[in-house]
Amino acid sequence: DGGITQSPKYLFRKEGQNVTLSCEQNLNHDAMYWYRQDPGQGLRLIYYSQIVNDFQKGDIAEGYSVSREKKESFPLTVTSAQKNPTAFYLCASSITRTLVYYGYTFGSGTRLTVV
Amino acid sequence: AQTVTQSQPEMSVQEAETVTLSCTYDTSESDYYLFWYKQPPSRQMILVIRQEAYKQQNATENRFSVNFQKAAKSFSLKISDSQLGDAAMYFCAYRSASAGNNRKLIWGLGTSLAVNP
Repeated sequence: DGGITQSPKYLFRKEGQNVTLSCEQNLNHDAMYWYRQDPGQGLRLIYYSQIVNDFQKGDIAEGYSVSREKKESFPLTVTSAQKNPTAFYLCASSITRTLVYYGYTFGSGTRLTVV
Repeated sequence: AQTVTQSQPEMSVQEAETVTLSCTYDTSESDYYLFWYKQPPSRQMILVIRQEAYKQQNATENRFSVNFQKAAKSFSLKISDSQLGDAAMYFCAYRSASAGNNRKLIWGLGTSLAVNP
């Protein structure tokens, strides 16, 4: 079955440490997205990528980095520069090169906690 | 810039009753898509229903239907015969249909729906 796999489900980070969240999709989708979700703040876009080897900053990119070396993969690194990284992170993908748009498919998320 | 507003942070409904969640949006475009997503306690985001703005007919998916009022820029979600499994956060989202860089979904802040047995 096609879908998006996020790993790990839970992740703990020590102060000053970089961590990488994995996002892999086998849907052959062009675009991929990373969102951060905090209570009462809905979904905030961190980074997105519409094609391989290209990505754009979203609304809250500071302290985060991404890469898109393969169509299937869009890992997110939370760097030590992100001062408040404790949150729920969602990865999503979509087809964009079609006449009709069907929305995002989401992964099951990663809960990141600073310890 | 487009915006999406969900004016009801929390709502509740009795099991088997009907509830309507509201969503309004602001755009100057004529062609776009609207979505309702559900996020249950598992936090997996699930697409509930989508609407294409150029279609006047309201979308329906089983017990879920929308009331799409294009002139009023309103896109409400009606859940009929509410079930305990409908308890979740519901997000409304907008996406331009035009080509270019506007390929992101614009999200509302969500409505938390409780279903009372």
